[in-house]
Amino acid sequence: QKEVEQNSGPLSVPEGAIASLNCTYSDRGSQSFFWYRQYSGKSPELIMSIYSNGDKEDGRFTAQLNKASQYVSLLIRDSQPSDSATYLCAVNMISFSGSARQLTFGSGTQLTVLP
Amino acid sequence: ETGVTQTPRHLVMGMTNKKSLKCEQHLGHNAMYWYKQSAKKPLELMFVYNFKEQTENNSVPSRFSPECPNSSHLFLHLHTLQPEDSALYLCASSPVTSGGALNEQFFGPGTRLTVL
Repeated sequence: QKEVEQNSGPLSVPEGAIASLNCTYSDRGSQSFFWYRQYSGKSPELIMSIYSNGDKEDGRFTAQLNKASQYVSLLIRDSQPSDSATYLCAVNMISFSGSARQLTFGSGTQLTVLP
Repeated sequence: ETGVTQTPRHLVMGMTNKKSLKCEQHLGHNAMYWYKQSAKKPLELMFVYNFKEQTENNSVPSRFSPECPNSSHLFLHLHTLQPEDSALYLCASSPVTSGGALNEQFFGPGTRLTVL
């Protein structure tokens, strides 16, 4: 069974701090990695994608990928209370039927940024 | 309308009812998906359609029946559901799906389904 694992949290950080969210995955052949943000009662919103080893920065968000360690992370700098949400890691993995690659989601990490 | 839309946003149905969920994408994508999101569980992929052809059925019970008349529209027909089917049902679309590396998906707002 191909898996994507995240710490469920809750993770609490003070406003202005760096929030670090981690994700590991089991499929060594995975090539595409995504972070989604989901506010309570809302649908997931894509915030970052990363395909190559290393760091990718977009505003206050930095995604980090290490394929050798099968590890992807998301850093949120200068955290704001509006960043409080559940963050979902998604990895392009071999599908259930084995016929193609599909996104497999982790269970999410709940982040709370305290004012 | 822009992005991915879903109707209805909320649905309450009895176990003997038949209802349908509708999804429409305005992004020009080729692939559409149904997901189920239950409390405390990861997103569960249910069905995938690529160029109107169903390419994935993740062992979903037959009481869920998808339909994809074209690349922009996706339906989920529901009949004789169980209370444990109560969940948020999410539709998503992506520009391409296959063995390729890119599979960036965009979600609709979801339908909150309650089965009594």
